[in-house]
Amino acid sequence: KAGVTQTPRYLIKTRGQQVTLSCSPISGHRSVSWYQQTPGQGLQFLFEYFSETQRNKGNFPGRFSGRQFSNSRSEMNVSTLELGDSALYLCASSLEGFGTDTQYFGPGTRLTVL
Amino acid sequence: GIQVEQSPPDLILQEGANSTLRCNFSDSVNNLQWFHQNPWGQLINLFYIPSGTKQNGRLSATTVATERYSLLYISSSQTTDSGVYFCAVENTDKLIFGTGTRLQVFP
Repeated sequence: KAGVTQTPRYLIKTRGQQVTLSCSPISGHRSVSWYQQTPGQGLQFLFEYFSETQRNKGNFPGRFSGRQFSNSRSEMNVSTLELGDSALYLCASSLEGFGTDTQYFGPGTRLTVL
Repeated sequence: GIQVEQSPPDLILQEGANSTLRCNFSDSVNNLQWFHQNPWGQLINLFYIPSGTKQNGRLSATTVATERYSLLYISSSQTTDSGVYFCAVENTDKLIFGTGTRLQVFP
């Protein structure tokens, strides 16, 4: 079974631009969650989608948004990029979500904001 | 919210040595996972262990949920074990990561 895939792997943007990241979960998994990893803040939860609905959200500004499609693929969007948005963005998938089974992570998208 | 602390923050070993990594959490959790982050950033699942003990080759993990801690044991370490090890606890709506233990194994 193929693992979680994320595209693109690397991205360079400038301040004020917007960016869209994509995550394809393991086949059959309905939950997709997103995380931001920075040297200063570590790994932080952004949000979780399940069956095309956002179920949970972390403590991030409204510039961070996402969606999930009927095939469970998910996209994350960051608008009006700031220098502090430079980070590794990871997504994870699982069958039913938190508290039920293992979370499997993709390779990440490394975003640099200049 | 739940706090997750890992110790030690850094660990330097020679190949063949054994080590124990610790994860303390501040409240009851539904589940706990251990991950290894490789140099390219990918998080690799090691154990899904809400309680009890599990073993996988040279690695084993024990979680004592009633005392709110988990231990990851690495025996006969190899250079390929280098990287950052994270524990992450689950409540009902998110995964909360610890600060990680950076392990360096030298030949």
